[in-house]
Amino acid sequence: EVQLVQSGAEVKKPGESLKISCKGSGHSFNSYWIGWVRQMPGKGLEWMGIIYPGDSDTRYSPSFQGQVTISADKSISIAYLQWSSLKASDTAMYYCARSGAASYYFDYWGQGTPVTVSS
Amino acid sequence: EIVLTQSPGTLSLSPGERATLSCRASQSVSSSYLAWYQQKPGQAPRLLIYGASNRATGIPDRFSGSGSGTDFTLTISRLEPEDFAVYYCQQYGSSPTFGQGTKLEIK
Repeated sequence: EVQLVQSGAEVKKPGESLKISCKGSGHSFNSYWIGWVRQMPGKGLEWMGIIYPGDSDTRYSPSFQGQVTISADKSISIAYLQWSSLKASDTAMYYCARSGAASYYFDYWGQGTPVTVSS
Repeated sequence: EIVLTQSPGTLSLSPGERATLSCRASQSVSSSYLAWYQQKPGQAPRLLIYGASNRATGIPDRFSGSGSGTDFTLTISRLEPEDFAVYYCQQYGSSPTFGQGTKLEIK
């Protein structure tokens, strides 16, 4: 069974750094893209970016380029999303999701990691 | 960037009725790279349709997708109580984007 298990809820202050994780199991982690999706409170889905753990090829949405960093450690089947300096506007639910073969739609999703940034 | 506009914003129907949700793209979506997702409160989205018309694994056949180019449709033939949720379309060409969602509510 394919599973993506995300790290737990985070509460941070503006300016702090953060790295959240997404651990895959039940499939060949190196052979599927893993993407990240933001959902701000009460709002819709936003495609942030995607990584191919096999060779760390990474693509970003123009809206998120330079704002976050996506990485992966294929040896332990984990993908990461990180911020160097959080803002209050980063408060959201963040989902990781597996991309279908050779396409950027998402067939399996993690449970979500809520991030709250508040002073 | 391709902008996806979903309509209506909210659709009020009764169980047993037919639902038709629209997704219009600001430019042609290559190779029908269009997916539909369902999201219920407090849950992650679930893939329903990919490639504009292909049902994902385990999705009931009352869900169907159609369209090409800039106009796409998700149809739910006979609404079940569990179908009331928010639906998103996504184009997954070179720079993927989501639509803003359609809320399907019980009338």
